[in-house]
Amino acid sequence: EVVMTQSPATVSVSPGDRVTLSCRASERVSSILAWYQQKPGQPPRLLIYGASTRATGVPARFSGSGSGTEFILTISSLQSEDFAVYFCQQYNNWPRTFGQGTRVEIK
Amino acid sequence: QVQLQESGQGLVKPSETLSLTCTVSGGSVNSNNFYWSWIRQPPGKGLEYLGYIHYSGSTTYNPSLKSRVTISVDTSKNQFSLKLTSVTAADTAFYYCARERRGEGLLDFWGQGTLVTVSS
Repeated sequence: EVVMTQSPATVSVSPGDRVTLSCRASERVSSILAWYQQKPGQPPRLLIYGASTRATGVPARFSGSGSGTEFILTISSLQSEDFAVYFCQQYNNWPRTFGQGTRVEIK
Repeated sequence: QVQLQESGQGLVKPSETLSLTCTVSGGSVNSNNFYWSWIRQPPGKGLEYLGYIHYSGSTTYNPSLKSRVTISVDTSKNQFSLKLTSVTAADTAFYYCARERRGEGLLDFWGQGTLVTVSS
């Protein structure tokens, strides 16, 4: 199966900061990659699909880039509601696989 | 707006069978456009996609669990279900049902999740 590796495991940032999260696939998945946001006690929420397309209702401060094996999620100016765990997921191959997540916490 | 809601056992004994049901409202499982999925997440850990079903009954399972997992659909009740046999403590997790857009692979609607603990 395709192993997804996210880094860093945790990032500490202040509101208003720009944050960059990385996701690496163990084999090429083209642009068939999604990003999800998960807050405590809630299910994951789809943010980005096709590596760079924002899902309905997702603010423009969220952007995704990359293809092949290297992907980036950028939050341009972190808001208080953005403190959460972010997962990447490839859906190019079966089984669909997720990264272990990056926790964005308040500095 | 589609809503999904998991229901079922919160506590299962080792070696027994875990059974959960997902009830869909605001939409129909009887659609060619979607797959109906189960994903789990051990507390504080990452996500594992267990498998999905199409309303026709066609299923796809994660090979890591294939011999233990069964997903079924009841279109008359607008529900789909998960059974996982021979559970161990490693199967303790939050279990989510979700909708996957067929042909796109996106999980666009999720249930709130239910915690299943495997313990004697």
